[in-house]
Amino acid sequence: EDQVTQSPEALRLQEGESSSLNCSYTVSGLRGLFWYRQDPGKGPEFLFTLYSAGEEKEKERLKATLTKKESFLHITAPKPEDSATYLCAVLDAGNMLTFGGGTRLMVKP
Amino acid sequence: KAGVTQTPRYLIKTRGQQVTLSCSPISGHRSVSWYQQTPGQGLQFLFEYFSETQRNKGNFPGRFSGRQFSNSRSEMNVSTLELGDSALYLCASSRQGWGTDTQYFGPGTRLTVL
Repeated sequence: EDQVTQSPEALRLQEGESSSLNCSYTVSGLRGLFWYRQDPGKGPEFLFTLYSAGEEKEKERLKATLTKKESFLHITAPKPEDSATYLCAVLDAGNMLTFGGGTRLMVKP
Repeated sequence: KAGVTQTPRYLIKTRGQQVTLSCSPISGHRSVSWYQQTPGQGLQFLFEYFSETQRNKGNFPGRFSGRQFSNSRSEMNVSTLELGDSALYLCASSRQGWGTDTQYFGPGTRLTVL
């Protein structure tokens, strides 16, 4: 059974204080790893898809990286509007999608 | 363009009743997936429909079922509701499905079972 673990569960940062969120996974045949952002009361919003180890993708202050066992979401100089829950999910060879528990990020001005 | 819409947004039911939730995908999207989100279990995949056929299914009991119509709109039905079914139910649409395409989520239906 696929497992996805996100850490930390919650993270408080000062505005401008860079950090990284972790997504560790065990999966039978990774087809893709996804990062989403979810604001309270809303559905998740797609951020990135990573397909193979070594791949990196960037969008504004966010950068996602992937190894064979984990993915990192690096947040550079965060702003209060980056406060949200960040979710990762893995898609396996059997086409099953498994989500992690999420990291709740709070950025204080 | 219009996003994914879900109706109703909020619903209160009692144990033993059944409920039907609706999802209208983005125009041109043929894949619709359903998810259950709870504080304890997080986000869990229910099933995916593509061109009116169920293509993938998660580990949920048979009380949870769905269907997709020719216009790609989808409905999810939960029969014999239990207290543990209280959750945010999300649907997501994409052109071709997960592995090859970005999923766009709707705002969800908040179901409370009393």
